[in-house]
Amino acid sequence: GQNIDQPTEMTATEGAIVQINCTYQTSGFNGLFWYQQHAGEAPTFLSYNVLDGLEEKGRFSSFLSRSKGYSYLLLKELQMKDSASYLCAVLDSNYQLIWGAGTKLIIKP
Amino acid sequence: ETGVTQTPRHLVMGMTNKKSLKCEQHLGHNAMYWYKQSAKKPLELMFVYNFKEQTENNSVPSRFSPECPNSSHLFLHLHTLQPEDSALYLCASSQDSGTPFPQYFGPGTRLLVL
Repeated sequence: GQNIDQPTEMTATEGAIVQINCTYQTSGFNGLFWYQQHAGEAPTFLSYNVLDGLEEKGRFSSFLSRSKGYSYLLLKELQMKDSASYLCAVLDSNYQLIWGAGTKLIIKP
Repeated sequence: ETGVTQTPRHLVMGMTNKKSLKCEQHLGHNAMYWYKQSAKKPLELMFVYNFKEQTENNSVPSRFSPECPNSSHLFLHLHTLQPEDSALYLCASSQDSGTPFPQYFGPGTRLLVL
């Protein structure tokens, strides 16, 4: 079967750095997405990785290792507004998105 | 208006009611999606439309009936729902299904079935 694993919840301190991991086992691979979802709001697109390596976008970076079936989202200089759920999703060989259950990130002052 | 909009934002209905959820996208996309989001579970894809044609129906019960009159509008007709159907229903759109373009989501309809 197809499976996406990410931690259920993480806590970090304002101003710090946090890494949210995602491991996947899917039928084929056509890229990995990260989305941010604030409580009661729509998921919003953060990043897309299809090649190995690190993609940096401001305070957020996303890393992919296809051989390990592994990705992480790195958030730097954490702000209170970064408190949200972070969803990992993989595009399989049929171009269908397989979603993880999301990681709830709690930022403390 | 920009992005993806959904109405209503909240809906309470009895098991014998009939209601419809509406989604509209202003992004010029060709693909539209319905998802169900339940607490602490992955997003469940329900239906996919590409260029107004339904391309995916993930074994969704017939009490959920989608309609896509054009590439900008998507409806989900609901009737004789069960309490376990209570969830957040999200609509999304993308440039095209079957491609690696990101999906853009609406704010969702929070549905409670009594």
